[in-house]
Amino acid sequence: NAGVTQTPKFRVLKTGQSMTLLCAQDMNHEYMYWYRQDPGMGLRLIHYSVGEGTTAKGEVPDGYNVSRLKKQNFLLGLESAAPSQTSVYFCASSRTGGLSTEAFFGQGTRLTVV
Amino acid sequence: DQQVKQNSPSLSVQEGRISILNCDYTNSMFDYFLWYKKYPAEGPTFLISISSIKDKNEDGRFTVFLNKSAKHLSLHIVPSQPGDSAVYFCAARSGANNLFFGTGTRLTVIP
Repeated sequence: NAGVTQTPKFRVLKTGQSMTLLCAQDMNHEYMYWYRQDPGMGLRLIHYSVGEGTTAKGEVPDGYNVSRLKKQNFLLGLESAAPSQTSVYFCASSRTGGLSTEAFFGQGTRLTVV
Repeated sequence: DQQVKQNSPSLSVQEGRISILNCDYTNSMFDYFLWYKKYPAEGPTFLISISSIKDKNEDGRFTVFLNKSAKHLSLHIVPSQPGDSAVYFCAARSGANNLFFGTGTRLTVIP
């Protein structure tokens, strides 16, 4: 019963480096989401996907790209990391839209950009 | 601009007493409200929800109240237990694909 798994759990990047965060879910959920959590800001939606091959922008999409080539995976990419992207990133999935009772979150990825 | 606000960053309650966590929102189009609970180093987990057509929803020790005219909701935990110590996030839905989260309230239940 893995649920939603995020890889890696921690990462330190230098400004300008690139990286990809991987989210994998084994519940056959259609919807997947990437959020970031910053002190005093709550969780904010970066990008989301309503099904394999689809992606859409959320509240704070700038500086990020995503891909959903397979239904079970949702990748978040940072092409050129900036200190402002230091945050904790959460992936979530749900069977239906709106993140209601069916939503599950991963453990989070703590990213520091120096 | 924060559409969902939790103005109390922390709350301490004695074990067995009632915990009341509050949440205010600004967008009258929100149609569904949820509370999530988060332990350190874990992702948020769903706790309880309420539709905008209701004013109360109860699940065991947890009750959520919604006051639409005041744009206010609250989570009551009775009786509070030490295992309830966590950060609680209020969230509101607008449309099908996003939740707006509050900044969280850290609840500490003192044994």
